[in-house]
Amino acid sequence: KAGVTQTPRYLIKTRGQQVTLSCSPISGHRSVSWYQQTPGQGLQFLFEYFSETQRNKGNFPGRFSGRQFSNSRSEMNVSTLELGDSALYLCASSSHTGPGTDTQYFGPGTRLTVL
Amino acid sequence: AQTVTQSQPEMSVQEAETVTLSCTYDTSESDYYLFWYKQPPSRQMILVIRQEAYKQQNATENRFSVNFQKAAKSFSLKISDSQLGDAAMYFCAYKILWNNNDMRFGAGTRLTVKP
Repeated sequence: KAGVTQTPRYLIKTRGQQVTLSCSPISGHRSVSWYQQTPGQGLQFLFEYFSETQRNKGNFPGRFSGRQFSNSRSEMNVSTLELGDSALYLCASSSHTGPGTDTQYFGPGTRLTVL
Repeated sequence: AQTVTQSQPEMSVQEAETVTLSCTYDTSESDYYLFWYKQPPSRQMILVIRQEAYKQQNATENRFSVNFQKAAKSFSLKISDSQLGDAAMYFCAYKILWNNNDMRFGAGTRLTVKP
């Protein structure tokens, strides 16, 4: 099976703009989670989508939002970008068909730079 | 709040030798899941090993094994017969429920393998 894919791999935006990142999970996986990775804060959970519904949410402002489509692909949107949003954004998918199937498989990430 | 602490920012090991990476966590839950992830310089996170808290037996995956001490809230990773390809950032992670992907990560340990 193909792994988790994320597009684009690199993005450069300016403050105040908005950005949309895309994640395609492993085929058959219904759960998609997003994480932000920065040198200062490390890896932080943003949110998780399961069957098109946001199931869990981390402690991030409302500027960070997401959605999931019927084919399990997910998008993450950040509005009104700030310099501090510069980070590696990781997407992870899991099948979640029962206990023991919750292992998350990560994509290569999208490197967002805000100028 | 659940926290994960990796007290060793950097570790080094000679090729073919054994190294142990430390991880402690803080939780009031009795059931939870623990993971070690590896992030090579190419950035893609890879699952190394997982442990369910209700299992007393320590998990093993080929050259990787854990020492899970539930009472001490300790979850160390032992890498035997270290290989050059083991060089990476290693993250310890924790989550409460199988159907909740809000995973908490430690700050990571950078492992260098010397030839």
